[in-house]
Amino acid sequence: AQSVTQPDIHITVSEGASLELRCNYSYGATPYLFWYVQSPGQGLQLLLKYFSGDTLVQGIKGFEAEFKRSQSSFNLRKPSVHWSDAAEYFCAVGPNRDDKIIFGKGTRLHILP
Amino acid sequence: DAGVTQSPTHLIKTRGQQVTLRCSPKSGHDTVSWYQQALGQGPQFIFQYYEEEERQRGNFPDRFSGHQFPNYSSELNVNALLLGDSALYLCASSPGTGGRGNTIYFGEGSWLTVV
Repeated sequence: AQSVTQPDIHITVSEGASLELRCNYSYGATPYLFWYVQSPGQGLQLLLKYFSGDTLVQGIKGFEAEFKRSQSSFNLRKPSVHWSDAAEYFCAVGPNRDDKIIFGKGTRLHILP
Repeated sequence: DAGVTQSPTHLIKTRGQQVTLRCSPKSGHDTVSWYQQALGQGPQFIFQYYEEEERQRGNFPDRFSGHQFPNYSSELNVNALLLGDSALYLCASSPGTGGRGNTIYFGEGSWLTVV
């Protein structure tokens, strides 16, 4: 069965510190992987996506993610977080042939001043 | 270029009532999907419409139904509302040319509160 696991429900980092959010997936075929961000009361914004090619993917707002097939992981990183990065982050896998996305339960990022 | 637009943004309904949520896809997109996001959870796939037909459905009861119009806009209907239907309902659109590799865009969502 296809699934996405985000093992950290909450993460707190200081402003200016580096960030890594973990994501593991289970998918029968070559996965298409995404990271979305959701600010309080808002919809989902796509940060980055991996379809094929270079396993290190650059996204918006200074985020990057690395696909590791051997570990079934797609962790999100940022070298220096800003207070505006406080939000909920969702890892997702798909779409399959019918564009259905499967989301993880999310990681809420808190930023300390 | 307008993105995915949803209406209404917020609404409150009473148990047992019915609700209709609306979605206009991004320009050039012909596939619309609906997701339910309960508080503290990730979005869950409800169903998807393509060429005015339901193409795929998630694990939701028949109380959840939808429609897609010739202009690709879509409605989500929920009958006999339960307290547990309180959630953010997200609409997503994509070009729908066959699936894999398409970038999917989400709207801001409709917040439904059932009291």
